Amino acid sequence: NAGVTQTPKFQVLKTGQSMTLQCAQDMNHEYMSWYRQDPGMGLRLIHYSVGAGITDQGEVPNGYNVSRSTTEDFPLRLLSAAPSQTSVYFCASSYSIFRPNTGELFFGEGSRLTVL
Amino acid sequence: GENVEQHPSTLSVQEGDSAVIKCTYSDSASNYFPWYKQELGKRPQLIIDIRSNVGEKKDQRIAVTLNKTAKHFSLHITETQPEDSAVYFCAARADYGGATNKLIFGTGTLLAVQP
Repeated sequence: NAGVTQTPKFQVLKTGQSMTLQCAQDMNHEYMSWYRQDPGMGLRLIHYSVGAGITDQGEVPNGYNVSRSTTEDFPLRLLSAAPSQTSVYFCASSYSIFRPNTGELFFGEGSRLTVL
Repeated sequence: GENVEQHPSTLSVQEGDSAVIKCTYSDSASNYFPWYKQELGKRPQLIIDIRSNVGEKKDQRIAVTLNKTAKHFSLHITETQPEDSAVYFCAARADYGGATNKLIFGTGTLLAVQP
């Protein structure tokens, strides 16, 4: 199993450009989520999904869109990048909490995004 | 919504000493409290978790305690080693009956173990 795969690992954008961060998991996880990590701010939840066709907003959703057309994929879209979106982005997945003794989030390797 | 506060933000200990990191949460519906370790340049990984029906859990040199009344939980690392140096995050998950595994994280503690 590859686990959680994110691409690209690094990206530089200019203000106003759009891009998509890709996330795929091969563990049959129902739950997927995106976090951003900034110095001193910890990991902040952007969007999450409990299954295909279902998405919801996290703590800091503004400026980001997501979709979940398949169980495996959960792309994060920046429609018009801003310098405030410079960050490290992590995709994470897990089994549904309805399964017994689950809860562990499995993280991807991260994507470092710089917006100039 | 849930808010998780974590202290201290940095912690320096001598090898062999103990380290304690503390977190508080705000949502009384929270019932799952994991701890993640993130080494420099790597992804966060789960090291231990505790559910609200227990007060303490141990795994070798690490332990977590939970005080639901005070809404506090703590990570204890004994006999620290240089490889324990990393950023540690606490998190909490509130259960409102849905399927979401929505973890809210603290701001992290940078632990440095001096040899």
